[in-house]
Amino acid sequence: EVQLVESGGGLVQPGGSLRLSCAASGFTFSTYWMHWVRQTPEKGLVWVSRISSDGSSTNYADSVKGRFTISRDNGENTLYLQMNSLRADDTAVYYCATEGSGYRFDNWGQGTLVTVSS
Amino acid sequence: EIVLTQSPATLSLSPGERATLSCRASQSLNYLAWYQQKPGQAPRLLIYDATNRATGIPARFSGSGFGTDFTLTISSLEPEDSAVYYCQQRSYWPPTFGQGTKVEIK
Repeated sequence: EVQLVESGGGLVQPGGSLRLSCAASGFTFSTYWMHWVRQTPEKGLVWVSRISSDGSSTNYADSVKGRFTISRDNGENTLYLQMNSLRADDTAVYYCATEGSGYRFDNWGQGTLVTVSS
Repeated sequence: EIVLTQSPATLSLSPGERATLSCRASQSLNYLAWYQQKPGQAPRLLIYDATNRATGIPARFSGSGFGTDFTLTISSLEPEDSAVYYCQQRSYWPPTFGQGTKVEIK
């Protein structure tokens, strides 16, 4: 059974940093492209970032480009999202998800809440 | 970016009734998915590429449509179908989601 468990969320001040983790199990993590998707009541579900199975290719939504970095450790079956220069509008529940085929999100974690506030 | 408009915003129906949810795209799409999200849970993939049920999804869920107009049908509502349903496109970058339709079971 595919399991994705996010962690690392919390309260951070504007301009601060946070690193999210997503621990994967129940599938061959190293063969899957992975994503981060975030959700707020105001904007709904918004795709954030994607990384290839070997970590060599990444892309980002315009709203986070230059501030967020996606990475992975296939030896540890873990996906990461390093978030810098955080803003109030980055406040959201962040989900990691497996890619089934080109930006199709087949399996999701339970999410971790990030709150950016002073 | 592609805008997906879902209607209605809320659907209130009784168990056993048929639910029809709509998703309209701002441009013609080749790939559309539907997700179900229950309170406090992550989204779950229901339908992909407009008509294909994901693994383990009951047969009462079906998808149809092409171009700019797509439909998710729940043929006979069960109490556990109470949720918000989102459509999502991956034909154009960036992938985008609709704002959701809430299905309430009377």
